[in-house]
Amino acid sequence: EPEVTQTPSHQVTQMGQEVILRCVPISNHLYFYWYRQILGQKVEFLVSFYNNEISEKSEIFDDQFSVERPDGSNFTLKIRSTKLEDSAMYFCASSEALRGSQPQHFGDGTRLSIL
Amino acid sequence: LAKTTQPISMDSYEGQEVNITCSHNNIATNDYITWYQQFPSQGPRFIIQGYKTKVTNEVASLFIPADRKSSTLSLPRVSLSDTAVYYCLVGSTGGNTPLVFGKGTRLSVIA
Repeated sequence: EPEVTQTPSHQVTQMGQEVILRCVPISNHLYFYWYRQILGQKVEFLVSFYNNEISEKSEIFDDQFSVERPDGSNFTLKIRSTKLEDSAMYFCASSEALRGSQPQHFGDGTRLSIL
Repeated sequence: LAKTTQPISMDSYEGQEVNITCSHNNIATNDYITWYQQFPSQGPRFIIQGYKTKVTNEVASLFIPADRKSSTLSLPRVSLSDTAVYYCLVGSTGGNTPLVFGKGTRLSVIA
């Protein structure tokens, strides 16, 4: 079964450094998303992306965050200057662009630890 | 987005059928009901989705009454590996619609 893959599985970064999290969505999917989950808390939406542009973003997704689809397969989340509170699991998801309700499929996440 | 209410936790013995009910009184006409499963340190995994009546796949069944104000996820003959958090989500999932996760139901399966 096709799946969303994310790398790295664990990233440790010093506060203030830039970090890039990578995702390879399912190949025929056209909608892409990032979510995060702080330890012990809910899964929170960050941003959705379609047709090479951001469709929607949450309040969490401030100027320190950016997303990019640099080629036909990768989808990246960049945090420009990390803060301690950015420590969380970051999940990428993708869904098909068909009419009707299409479920989002998630990767297993990148655990980001900010020191 | 329709607010959902589900039990915080449930316990079950191996081999039993588990039913997790979710209330969504404010469900809209275009809303679907979707259930996800999450194991520790893993991403949410899509289980099943439905609009009305009953949906069944190889993993679970989803029962939705005519008024659609609630739904029940049924897991047949659970095993220890079904121990996870189960989320009920209600909304339009077409296009770029963000998913809104609640706290879910923590299911513990006991040997």
